[in-house]
Amino acid sequence: DSGVTQTPKHLITATGQRVTLRCSPRSGDLSVYWYQQSLDQGLQFLIHYYNGEERAKGNILERFSAQQFPDLHSELNLSSLELGDSALYFCASSTREGGQGNTIYFGEGSWLTVV
Amino acid sequence: ELKVEQNPLFLSMQEGKNYTIYCNYSTTSDRLYWYRQDPGKSLESLFVLLSNGAVKQEGRLMASLDTKARLSTLHITAAVHDLSATYFCAVGPPGGGSQGNLIFGKGTKLSVKP
Repeated sequence: DSGVTQTPKHLITATGQRVTLRCSPRSGDLSVYWYQQSLDQGLQFLIHYYNGEERAKGNILERFSAQQFPDLHSELNLSSLELGDSALYFCASSTREGGQGNTIYFGEGSWLTVV
Repeated sequence: ELKVEQNPLFLSMQEGKNYTIYCNYSTTSDRLYWYRQDPGKSLESLFVLLSNGAVKQEGRLMASLDTKARLSTLHITAAVHDLSATYFCAVGPPGGGSQGNLIFGKGTKLSVKP
């Protein structure tokens, strides 16, 4: 158990809908990252928050957004869902904002299926 | 653009044998990670390598880093069935920056057979 908690574990929804994925980082970790894993694209970095502020953006679609709250939990919002958004979405956390050396811990992931 | 290539992508081994997984990356980076993933599960951190010549070992796995060659290796010694999984290497962005902005390889799916 990495200490990173993600909910829901599984989600099935229809095209055009909106979903919210939730992540609680490890105790004491200020950085939260979101990754998407799919068969065709592999593991892709989406976005990074540190202590409530956005720090880096990766291949995140405009239909997707995220935020980190004062209690450090984070939510990833996916809207106008398409079949191609079906994937495993990981949240990860680490202690520091940047620099070297910290292990990055991944949660169990949220399986999203769009039908 | 930073690219990370792993090879082989599929590896079928017999128990007791040794093998090496290679991870090449295209631009300078200050950190390299190895992760293990079981089917449908999370990514488990194995090693974090930070400097040229770094070598880390845990059980039957040993990872090394050559920053000049932009190459990391994951060596498996005397493989056992429990090592069957997909292994990913991931590299931090050039110039440092957000340490979570990792670029992952496609993964090496390892199958250890008796």
